[in-house]
Amino acid sequence: QSVLTQPPSVSGAPGQRVTITCMGGSSNIGAGYDVHWYQQLPGTVPKLLMYGNYLRPSGVPDRFSGSKSGTSASLAITGLQAEDEADYYCQSYDSGLSGYVFGTGTKVTVL
Amino acid sequence: QVHLVESGGGVVQPGRSLKLSCAASGFTFTTYGMHWVRQAPGKGLEWVTVISYDGNYKYYADSVKGRFTISRDNSKNTLSLILNSLRPEDSAVYYCARGSGSPFDNWLDPWGQGTLVTVSS
Repeated sequence: QSVLTQPPSVSGAPGQRVTITCMGGSSNIGAGYDVHWYQQLPGTVPKLLMYGNYLRPSGVPDRFSGSKSGTSASLAITGLQAEDEADYYCQSYDSGLSGYVFGTGTKVTVL
Repeated sequence: QVHLVESGGGVVQPGRSLKLSCAASGFTFTTYGMHWVRQAPGKGLEWVTVISYDGNYKYYADSVKGRFTISRDNSKNTLSLILNSLRPEDSAVYYCARGSGSPFDNWLDPWGQGTLVTVSS
């Protein structure tokens, strides 16, 4: 059972905007640790999508944006495309566990 | 080009041991912390362990603490994970990943292709 909670699924039509939340607590996101996001396309290896809360690695479209506030973080996808259909995971560090943690994961479906 | 290749997975009986390896290339291995992450079939990602760039610091998830041991050989650019006292719930694809950023604020990039461990009698 992860300490970072995400909605199991979100969906949207092509071109729409969807947001994935990552709810943490005072020992991880709320303690000031950064949040990072990963995209896992069906049958593939997870890929870094966002680091340092809102920074995009080279090659990641600017349709993806990240933010963090208090004990939670969010990943937004604007102009949703069919190729964005994947599982998305947030990740941070937890001082209470003395280790890293992943979110529960969110499946994004493009209608 | 940064490349991570895991090996050593397979089918093993409960209670037995297994050693996973991760061969790194394309970057200065000695300057990065390294992680293992696992993913059970159809399930989410679970962080397993991390080792500092020099091997002096190691942290483990509670679910594997005392059973798994991470190590690295910087002379061979190789990361290892010894899995002892294996349980059926340890069955998963195990990924090695490079850690970047400051200590306790690592992000993982890139990831290897993974190696499958199946614990079954």
